[in-house]
Amino acid sequence: AQSVTQLDSQVPVFEEAPVELRCNYSSSVSVYLFWYVQYPNQGLQLLLKYLSGSTLVKGINGFEAEFNKSQTSFHLRKPSVHISDTAEYFCAVSDHGGGFKTIFGAGTRLFVKA
Amino acid sequence: DTAVSQTPKYLVTQMGNDKSIKCEQNLGHDTMYWYKQDSKKFLKIMFSYNNKELIINETVPNRFSPKSPDKAHLNLHINSLELGDSAVYFCASSQGRIYNSPLHFGNGTRLTVT
Repeated sequence: AQSVTQLDSQVPVFEEAPVELRCNYSSSVSVYLFWYVQYPNQGLQLLLKYLSGSTLVKGINGFEAEFNKSQTSFHLRKPSVHISDTAEYFCAVSDHGGGFKTIFGAGTRLFVKA
Repeated sequence: DTAVSQTPKYLVTQMGNDKSIKCEQNLGHDTMYWYKQDSKKFLKIMFSYNNKELIINETVPNRFSPKSPDKAHLNLHINSLELGDSAVYFCASSQGRIYNSPLHFGNGTRLTVT
């Protein structure tokens, strides 16, 4: 069965600084990986996804993530954050062994300070 | 146009009552889901329907009963509500019965049981 671990529950960072949100997964088969963002009192929305091909994936709002199969990681990065990036970020995985389920990590709260 | 809409947005009720949450999507997707998000933001899948067929039924108390009248609608009925049912319930949809399809979420229904 697949699982997702987000290594940091909270990440405080100053505005315009770079940020990395860490995600590790476990799965016995090929995986599809996603990052979602949840703003306060809203549902989740897709930031980016890795399905196959290039391991560096670019998403919306200047975010990107790199798939590393050997380290089973899919870390999310942004070179310069804005106050408006303050939100909860979720890493998610689905695979052929999961029965159409998308499994989410526990989330990382990104807090951007002025 | 709202892609995935849930009603009501807030639901406050007493223990022992029965309540329903409704969900509709206008994306033309044929797979819909219910997720539960607890107070620590952890997301757990509850149910999934594909073309009105139940395809995922996680370990959820049988007080929870989903119903899909057609592929654009998925409702959740909860009997004999308990304090531990308090959470945010998210409806989601995806394109087809495939593993790499991202989820589109509604804005959630915050259920409070007193």
